[in-house]
Amino acid sequence: AQSVAQPEDQVNVAEGNPLTVKCTYSVSGNPYLFWYVQYPNRGLQFLLKYITGDNLVKGSYGFEAEFNKSQTSFHLKKPSALVSDSALYFCAVRDERGSTLGRLYFGRGTQLTVWP
Amino acid sequence: DGGITQSPKYLFRKEGQNVTLSCEQNLNHDAMYWYRQDPGQGLRLIYYSQIVNDFQKGDIAEGYSVSREKKESFPLTVTSAQKNPTAFYLCASSIGGGDQETQYFGPGTRLLVL
Repeated sequence: AQSVAQPEDQVNVAEGNPLTVKCTYSVSGNPYLFWYVQYPNRGLQFLLKYITGDNLVKGSYGFEAEFNKSQTSFHLKKPSALVSDSALYFCAVRDERGSTLGRLYFGRGTQLTVWP
Repeated sequence: DGGITQSPKYLFRKEGQNVTLSCEQNLNHDAMYWYRQDPGQGLRLIYYSQIVNDFQKGDIAEGYSVSREKKESFPLTVTSAQKNPTAFYLCASSIGGGDQETQYFGPGTRLLVL
């Protein structure tokens, strides 16, 4: 079975400080991992994805994520948070075995609030 | 949100009524998806389609129906059998439905029950 866990419902950080939004996953084969961001009453915007290769993935808006196979994690990071980063963040996974016709499995989301 | 449009932005359903949510994409994508979003539950897959005239049930298909008569369009009907339809509905598409592909999302439709 494929699943994603986002252990924190909410993350609060001061502007200018580094931020981390955590994600752990469970798949049978090698994972394909994705991060999306959602602003209020909007659709999801793609931030970055890990398919293979370098464990550190760089994405949009200065975000990056680190794939750690031994810890089955894919945490989202940013060196210096902005108030405008405040949003709902979703981690998602697929299994490389492809038996699920490309469907994504999402975590429950983490609400990030950046204080000025 | 670019390339995928959903309408209406808000939709009100009366008891016993069927309503249809529109999803159109101009990205020339083969695969399209419908998700339901409830607070604190993330996104759950309702239906998906990899090609015209073919679609598959997701995890919560009961009370919903879809059609895929055109590549660009994947409308979702919320039937009267769906007893708790109040949610935010998101449509997505990807190039071919492959595992490495990114899914791109529309702006969503919020469905409310009168």
